[in-house]
Parts: sequence; structure tokens; C-alpha cells
Amino acid sequence: GESVGLHLPTLSVQEGDNSIINCAYSNSASDYFIWYKQESGKGPQFIIDIRSNMDKRQGQRVTVLLNKTVKHLSLQIAATQPGDSAVYFCAENIGGGSNYKLTFGKGTLLTVNP
Amino acid sequence: DADVTQTPRNRITKTGKRIMLECSQTKGHDRMYWYRQDPGLGLRLIYYSFDVKDINKGEISDGYSVSRQAQAKFSLSLESAIPNQTALYFCATSDDHRDGYTFGSGTRLTVV
Repeated sequence: GESVGLHLPTLSVQEGDNSIINCAYSNSASDYFIWYKQESGKGPQFIIDIRSNMDKRQGQRVTVLLNKTVKHLSLQIAATQPGDSAVYFCAENIGGGSNYKLTFGKGTLLTVNP
Repeated sequence: DADVTQTPRNRITKTGKRIMLECSQTKGHDRMYWYRQDPGLGLRLIYYSFDVKDINKGEISDGYSVSRQAQAKFSLSLESAIPNQTALYFCATSDDHRDGYTFGSGTRLTVV
């Protein structure tokens, strides 16, 4: 089964609010995590990543938090905008060394209401 | 031009037909991947290649084959298409650092 557990829920927020999307993973050996955004009819787009030696990483309006104790990853989007409406996937790299390949969760649909 | 180009964008084919999906990249990446996306199941890895001479099966390789014709080209074939192979197919590339994948725009395949 999938080690990245993100059952496809739907998150609906108002424009301007902050959004938090969560992801649970089960493989403690995973060393790298990524959040992707997928808009309708397009391929997944890289948003932000974090390595396992970090707890937090910030980008423009986005923050990823990694809690290795409980194997939990979250994506925070500040001041959510209508253009943020999409499916968001977390992904983890389980392969060690040079064996780099990602396993993806099922996704969360974010809907931003104007 | 897109960094990762997939052709065709859409394809309808009949059960039993052979079909090839093509992927080409201008990123100069050694690593290429084919994923399949089904509603509610996320992306699942079909095959991957870490260089021209390297081909590896992913979690759902049955019914598929691949060819890495050059560093820039990685094609996916369905030898005898069946309806449960109807899905959205994505090609992705990466370098050997953990910097994420670059995805193509996808091929929507329908097998009738």
C-alpha cells in the first residue's frame, strides 16, 4: 500500500484566509518531501520541498512543516487566492542513496471562494 | 517550448491495439519516469530510467513496456491496450539531486 497517506479530502476556504493541507507518511526512512500543485488539465507543479534534516521551510506565501516524530507533513498557504484552487499532492522519497523516486499521496482538492 | 513534452495530449484507442506514448525533455536530466494518474489514487509509478542504459519497473508495470531511446526521450508502450488502462499518464524528469521532478502536461488515454 501507499506509505504517503493523503486521502482525497476537499478543503474549502475564503479568499484571504490561510489554508493548511496535511499529509501523513509511514516510512521513517524517507529523506525528502515535496508538495506539488496540480491545476485542472495540467501536470503537477513543484511548490516547495523539505529535507528530513529540517523542520520548516518557507517560500513565497507557502510554508512546509515536517514533524518526523509523528510522520506528518503540512503545507500552509497564506492569504489564499482564487488562483490557489487546485489539487495538492505531497510526495516522499523512500529510496536511499542515488535511488531517488517519489511516492505520491492521493491529493487534496483546495477550493478558494471569492 | 515546454521543458518536458508529451505526445499525444489525448488519445482514444480500441481494446487490443498497441499504442505508444512519447516523452521528450530539454532539461538535460538523466532520470526519467512514467506515472499513471487515476481519480482518487494519486500518481503511481509505472517505469523509471536513471540513464540511457537503465530501465526499472515501478509499482504497476504489468501491461506496459518502455524504451529509452536517448537521454532526452523515454517512451511508454501498451502492447495490447485494455479498458482499465484508461487514465492520465505523466512523464517526469529529474537530475540526481533531490530537487523535485519536472512533469509534462500529460496524455489522456481512453481505451474503449
